[in-house]
Amino acid sequence: NAGVTQTPKFRILKIGQSMTLQCAQDMNHNYMYWYRQDPGMGLKLIYYSVGAGITDKGEVPNGYNVSRSTTEDFPLRLELAAPSQTSVYFCASSYSSLDNEQFFGPGTRLTVL
Amino acid sequence: GESVGLHLPTLSVQEGDNSIINCAYSNSASDYFIWYKQESGKGPQFIIDIRSNMDKRQGQRVTVLLNKTVKHLSLQIAATQPGDSAVYFCAENMPGNQFYFGTGTSLTVIP
Repeated sequence: NAGVTQTPKFRILKIGQSMTLQCAQDMNHNYMYWYRQDPGMGLKLIYYSVGAGITDKGEVPNGYNVSRSTTEDFPLRLELAAPSQTSVYFCASSYSSLDNEQFFGPGTRLTVL
Repeated sequence: GESVGLHLPTLSVQEGDNSIINCAYSNSASDYFIWYKQESGKGPQFIIDIRSNMDKRQGQRVTVLLNKTVKHLSLQIAATQPGDSAVYFCAENMPGNQFYFGTGTSLTVIP
């Protein structure tokens, strides 16, 4: 199993540009998550999904959108990039519920200039 | 949301010594805790977990202690090795809720 994979690894955006961060998992996990990690800070939950077709906001959803058309994929969309969205983004998945162990991807480092 | 704090942002230990990383949590309703290890440039990796009905749990070279009275969690690493150098996070969870992550402690192992 590849586990949780994320693309791209790095990206630089100009203010106002849009992009999609890709996340996929091959563990047949129902739950998937997007976090951002700012320097010296803990992970903050952006959005999560409990299954295909269902998504919910986390702590810091503003400026982001997600979709979950399949069990495997959970892309994160930035529509109008802002410098405040400069961060490292981690996707994670867990088998059955919010309080299960989460498996993390390698992260995407995004810089908005 | 709840905040999960760590007592020390950095910790340096000699190779072969034991390491202790501490974490304070604020919500007495939290009943599940995980320690993660994050190496530079990588995603967090599960180390060990503990539920609130336990005080102690041991893994391979790692032990987690939970003190519910003072809402404190610790991670003990025995015979610390250079490969243990990383940032360690604790995370707390209340039933049906998301995890809340601490800011992390950076562990450096001195050869």
